This record gives sequence, C-alpha cells and structure tokens, in this order.
Amino acid sequence: AQTVTQSQPEMSVQEAETVTLSCTYDTSENNYYLFWYKQPPSRQMILVIRQEAYKQQNATENRFSVNFQKAAKSFSLKISDSQLGDTAMYFCAFTSQGGSEKLVFGKGTKLTVNP
Amino acid sequence: SAVISQKPSRDICQRGTSLTIQCQVDSQVTMMFWYRQQPGQSLTLIATANQGSEATYESGFVIDKFPISRPNLTFSTLTVSNMSPEDSSIYLCSVARRLNTEAFFGQGTRLTVV
Repeated sequence: AQTVTQSQPEMSVQEAETVTLSCTYDTSENNYYLFWYKQPPSRQMILVIRQEAYKQQNATENRFSVNFQKAAKSFSLKISDSQLGDTAMYFCAFTSQGGSEKLVFGKGTKLTVNP
Repeated sequence: SAVISQKPSRDICQRGTSLTIQCQVDSQVTMMFWYRQQPGQSLTLIATANQGSEATYESGFVIDKFPISRPNLTFSTLTVSNMSPEDSSIYLCSVARRLNTEAFFGQGTRLTVV
C-alpha cells in the first residue's frame, strides 16, 4: 500500500520569505502522480501543484515549485515570496497511474505566514 | 474545473440518528469520492461512488454505516448512520473527470454528534 509522510506538523515563515515543505512517499509503482493541496480555514481543498512521475522536470506554478526526487521518493514544495494568504494546511497526496483517482494524503503541514 | 455544491455545510446531530450529505456537481464527472477528515487530521477515503451500482468501500468503512448513492453523473449522497460522537468529522465530496487529473473538492460538511 502506498503511504505519504509529511514530517513537519507545523511551520512558519515571514512574509516575502521562502519556505520548503517536505513530503516523502512509499510505492512500488513506477508511474504515478503527486500533488500538493492547500486547505485554508474555509476548508476548501485547492490544488497547488501536480507532478507526473514520468516527467523529470520539476513542476512550477508561479510562486510554487517542487523538488521531485524519484529515486529518493521525495516531493518537497517550495513557496517563494510567501504571502499572508498562503497561511493554510498543506497536504501532499499520491495517486497511482491507471488507478481510480483515489488520493492517499499525508497528515499535513500547518503553514503560518507572519507579517 | 468543476463547481461542487455540498450540503449541508455543517450540522449538529444527536447520537443514534442519521444524516445525509448531498454532493452536486455542475457538470458530468467520471469519478466521485467521499472522504472523512477527523479533527486535526488528514483526509481518509471512505468510498468511491459508482454511478448505477454499489459504492466501493475502503478498508474500515462499511455500507451499513455509510450508505452511498449515485443515481447519475452529477449527484451523490453519503449517509452517516446511527451516529456516535466518534463520527464527528468533516466529510468531503471529491470529483474528477479523467484518470489522474486534478481532483476537485466540495467545501465539506462539518458534522458534530452530541
């Protein structure tokens, strides 16, 4: 069974600074997808970024980028120029290719951006 | 994208009663899922809602406790039956159109059982 581990329950960063959230996963599959979701206090889950395992290039979305290390099974999220609106829970998630789109989530990291 | 309307947004229920949560999507979707998020915890998949057939439940979840319906490609319901305080959680509906693309989430139903 696939597992996703986020080892940082809480993190904080100053506004405009850069922060990196860690995620590791365990799978025996070769093709799969990884995601970072953001859950603000409103509870709405929002996709931040997605990475296909067969792509070597790290995904980027504006201020958000990932460091995908397939051999190490590591998938960290870097947030540049942090903004107050980035304050939220961040969940790393995994789904296998050809599966049923079921997501396996990590326990989450609570990120606080301080003014 | 997909716009998901989940109702109710919150409820406080007496133990022993049942609550049905509705999930309505603004367009047809292939996959619909129900997740549970216990207080301060991550999301755990309850089941996959299958259109026109019985839902597929994950280990630890059973149909008698969490009956699910999906009469068409835009609507599903989750019932939490015979509730106890341990069922107090946020329940989220999720949808996806194609395999491995973005999954969209409703805003969730915050359930408190007293």
